[in-house]
Amino acid sequence: EAQVTQNPRYLITVTGKKLTVTCSQNMNHEYMSWYRQDPGLGLRQIYYSMNVEVTDKGDVPEGYKVSRKEKRNFPLILESPSPNQTSLYFCASSLGGAVQETQYFGPGTRLLVL
Amino acid sequence: AQSVSQHNHHVILSEAASLELGCNYSYGGTVNLFWYVQYPGQHLQLLLKYFSGDPLVKGIKGFEAEFIKSKFSFNLRKPSVQWSDTAEYFCAVNANDMRFGAGTRLTVKP
Repeated sequence: EAQVTQNPRYLITVTGKKLTVTCSQNMNHEYMSWYRQDPGLGLRQIYYSMNVEVTDKGDVPEGYKVSRKEKRNFPLILESPSPNQTSLYFCASSLGGAVQETQYFGPGTRLLVL
Repeated sequence: AQSVSQHNHHVILSEAASLELGCNYSYGGTVNLFWYVQYPGQHLQLLLKYFSGDPLVKGIKGFEAEFIKSKFSFNLRKPSVQWSDTAEYFCAVNANDMRFGAGTRLTVKP
């Protein structure tokens, strides 16, 4: 089944403790992206990647890192999480980076930073 | 950069009522427009999209949207909603990068 998977789905952590949220897609998509969803703000893009070893900042990149060593994986790294990073995170992918392409979303990761 | 406004934060309807959710964007050039839906506890999925051609776009589950360029709008419509349409609906615009609206929560009462 074609899908985007994220792990973990739920995570509670404390301020300053490094964490990684994994994202994997099995559709051979070139484009991958991370969003955070906050009430009243919709989805905001954190980082995106057009292909392996090609990443770029989205609207809200501060406090986050990403890497794209393989086409299928696009982990999101919080080196020193803070409470304002408590949010619902979605990974998404699309075939290429063209603006008319549909993005396919993962199930989301709900993060609470204490 | 483009931005997206969804005017209604929460809409409550009874089953069989007609639905129209507003979406306006600010960008002067060519845009690609999307409506995504997020059912409770699920991930976002595409309802419909427009990038060229007929400005009236039909999507899944009886939804449609009309692109009105002069009004910078892409409103979502459904003639008769069902309880199963209860969800959050996001309008999105992609000109250079993808921008989402804040979302409209739709509650359909049985």
